[in-house]
Amino acid sequence: EVQLVESGGGLVQPGESLRLSCAASGFTFSSSSMNWVRQAPGKGLEWISYITSSSSTIYYADSVKGRFTISRDNAKNSLYLQMNSLRAEDTAVYYCARDQVLRVWGKGTTVTVSS
Amino acid sequence: EIVMTQSPATLSVSPGERATLSCRASQSVSSNLAWYQQKPGQAPRLLIYGASTRATGIPARFSGSGSGTEFTLTISSLQSEDFTVYYCQQYNNWPLTFGGGTKVEIK
Repeated sequence: EVQLVESGGGLVQPGESLRLSCAASGFTFSSSSMNWVRQAPGKGLEWISYITSSSSTIYYADSVKGRFTISRDNAKNSLYLQMNSLRAEDTAVYYCARDQVLRVWGKGTTVTVSS
Repeated sequence: EIVMTQSPATLSVSPGERATLSCRASQSVSSNLAWYQQKPGQAPRLLIYGASTRATGIPARFSGSGSGTEFTLTISSLQSEDFTVYYCQQYNNWPLTFGGGTKVEIK
């Protein structure tokens, strides 16, 4: 079964950091490009970052550029999102999703930034 | 950045009727357009990609059309499980962008 499982979310204060993980199974992770997409409470979907299978190409949304870093470990079938200098507006459910067409999604992990 | 605009924001339809959802791009995205369904508390699910190709396991009552800047998702006969929120997304240019969503509610 094709599966993505996010972890690492939690409650942090503004300015703090958090690292999200996404564990992949059931498909050839090393051949797949990956994304992070988030959804603030009661709001729509916002794409935030993309990484190719070999990590050769990476893109970020302007809203997170310079603060978030996407990476992957193909040997561990894992995708990561390092989030620094977190703000209240980063509060959201964070999903990892496979491919440029977001064919497969995880169930998400919740990040809350609040003092 | 390509802005995706969905209309209407809310669509009231009776079960068994047809629903037509619209999505407009601020510039051409060719056929690089996807539709997603999201139920409360769940992750989005891919319905349509390439503007008109159903994803694996998606019922035939869902169909997509359009190219360039104007796109449509049609649900031919609404079932109870179809009353939820739908998003369009372009993947022709970076950044990937989503429409604001259309909520399909029971009339």
